[in-house]
Amino acid sequence: NAGVTQTPKFQVLKTGQSMTLQCAQDMNHNSMYWYRQDPGMGLRLIYYSASEGTTDKGEVPNGYNVSRLNKREFSLRLESAAPSQTSVYFCASSLLAGGPSRTYNEQFFGPGTRLTVL
Amino acid sequence: DQQVKQNSPSLSVQEGRISILNCDYTNSMFDYFLWYKKYPAEGPTFLISISSIKDKNEDGRFTVFLNKSAKHLSLHIVPSQPGDSAVYFCAGPNNAGGTSYGKLTFGQGTILTVHP
Repeated sequence: NAGVTQTPKFQVLKTGQSMTLQCAQDMNHNSMYWYRQDPGMGLRLIYYSASEGTTDKGEVPNGYNVSRLNKREFSLRLESAAPSQTSVYFCASSLLAGGPSRTYNEQFFGPGTRLTVL
Repeated sequence: DQQVKQNSPSLSVQEGRISILNCDYTNSMFDYFLWYKKYPAEGPTFLISISSIKDKNEDGRFTVFLNKSAKHLSLHIVPSQPGDSAVYFCAGPNNAGGTSYGKLTFGQGTILTVHP
């Protein structure tokens, strides 16, 4: 099993360009997530998909769109890239979306995409 | 509003000694916490968790302690090894909007360096 895969690993864009970050998981997980990691900020949730066919905004959704293409794939699109979107982007997946109280929902992360917007 | 905070950006310890990483939270309704470990150029990986009904959970060299009255948790690594050098994130359920749907809110991370 490859787990969670992300493409590309690195990308440099000019301001105003668009691109799509791809994510796929082969663990038959229901839920998928997109995060960005910035120095001193930890991991911040951009969008998530609790199950196939649903998507919702996280903490920092502005400037992004997502598509849950099927159960395996969850893509993140930057329509008009800005320098503030320079970051490392991580996709994650988990088996459950919530669940009984006092259970934890382990998320499995991909290796990340390092994006620079000039 | 940062619901989970790690106030120490970095920690340096000698090999064989104890590493203690700290995390504070604001939401007393959190019912579990997780610790993740991240090496450079890799994604975070799950390390250990604790339920809010417990005050301690141990897994080999790693122990997490939860102090609910102080809204504080800590990760102890004993003995520390150079391979433990990484960024450590604590996380709790992200209940923004009323239901977590498995979402997590992460602290800022602490860079641990273990010197041989």
